[in-house]
Amino acid sequence: GAGVSQSPSNKVTEKGKDVELRCDPISGHTALYWYRQSLGQGLEFLIYFQGNSAPDKSGLPSDRFSAERTGGSVSTLTIQRTQQEDSAVYLCASSLGSDLYNEQFFGPGTRLTVL
Amino acid sequence: AQSVAQPEDQVNVAEGNPLTVKCTYSVSGNPYLFWYVQYPNRGLQFLLKYITGDNLVKGSYGFEAEFNKSQTSFHLKKPSALVSDSALYFCAVRDNGGRRALTFGSGTRLQVQP
Repeated sequence: GAGVSQSPSNKVTEKGKDVELRCDPISGHTALYWYRQSLGQGLEFLIYFQGNSAPDKSGLPSDRFSAERTGGSVSTLTIQRTQQEDSAVYLCASSLGSDLYNEQFFGPGTRLTVL
Repeated sequence: AQSVAQPEDQVNVAEGNPLTVKCTYSVSGNPYLFWYVQYPNRGLQFLLKYITGDNLVKGSYGFEAEFNKSQTSFHLKKPSALVSDSALYFCAVRDNGGRRALTFGSGTRLQVQP
């Protein structure tokens, strides 16, 4: 079956521009997560959705970062006024439920480069 | 706070030999432990998990991991390495404190030589 998909796969932008990253989770998965992978910081959690609600936003690094999820499905991560330190691979994951034993399934990621 | 340590940046092993990738964790409650593998330019693929029960967990592609509560470890193992196992491996943890996000280790690059 279809896995988690993310678009675009690559995004190059100029400092100060806004970007939107999209995640399509596995159908029927109620929980959705955004992580960021960078050379210096490893894998960092950004935000978690259960349905359309975000009970844990503790990983968002600044108020330039926001995310929403609609229809309990697609999620969009928005970065406003991008900075060079935002350059990273942004990974989305989904899981069947939010129980602690549910494994997360990851998408291929969006590589963001801020010039 | 929860944390994961993967003490080796890289592990080198010859094809056909057994491999071990080390992971230790720190949590305040009961741990839920996961191993993921990442191939170049790909997302993370789930390998296996420990939730409760038998300390030896078997997963995909012939991998297994042993949970050791006293040593707070969850090492990944495979009896006979393949060149195609060469990839980046991540250990991750949650605890039963309720936080849903996974905390990842820094990753270990496995290089299997033919």
